[in-house]
Amino acid sequence: QVQLVESGGGVVQPGRSLRLSCAASGFAFDTCPMHWVRQAPGKGLEWVAVISYDGGAKYYADSVRGRFTISRDNSKNTLDLQMSSLRPDDTAVYYCTRTPARRRGGFDLWGQGILVTVSS
Amino acid sequence: DIQMTQSPSSLSASLGDRVTISCQASQDIKHFLNWYQQKPGKAPKLLIYDASNLETGVPSRFSGSGSGTDFTFTISSLQPEDIATYYCEHYNNLPPGYSFGQGTKLEI
Repeated sequence: QVQLVESGGGVVQPGRSLRLSCAASGFAFDTCPMHWVRQAPGKGLEWVAVISYDGGAKYYADSVRGRFTISRDNSKNTLDLQMSSLRPDDTAVYYCTRTPARRRGGFDLWGQGILVTVSS
Repeated sequence: DIQMTQSPSSLSASLGDRVTISCQASQDIKHFLNWYQQKPGKAPKLLIYDASNLETGVPSRFSGSGSGTDFTFTISSLQPEDIATYYCEHYNNLPPGYSFGQGTKLEI
């Protein structure tokens, strides 16, 4: 079954760290750029970060650069997002998503999302 | 940075209506634009990629058009299951960057 499943969310205090994971199955994970996209409660979608198919290139939104780190393990078909120095405005549902290998853009497969709440 | 302006922010329509949503880019983005549908509590779903290409499995009542700075998303005949929020999304490859429109909430 082709799917992405996120884990690791929860409630965390401002300034602390949290690590999200995404388990991929049913497709050639090591051929696809992978992304994190987030959505604050009642708000729109915000792209967070991308990692190339081989992990060699990583790019971040200005709002998280220097605080978040995206990584992948192609031997385990997993994608991670290490979040540090968390702020209340990082509160959101975080989605793991992919760009298919045959295209330049578009997020064609999404996880169910995982809620991160930053609050004291 | 390229800004995406999506309109309207909300839209009320009747079943069977033709519905159109617009997305305008602050500069030429060629055809690098996608459209998504999101239902409450669910992940977004890709409907249209590269401005006008229908994603596999998506009903043909959905379509997209445009290039450069002005893009349009159309539902030819509104169905009950189309009630959702719709987003446009622009992508760059060099360097990679992605920006979503503000969303259009479609209601009956």
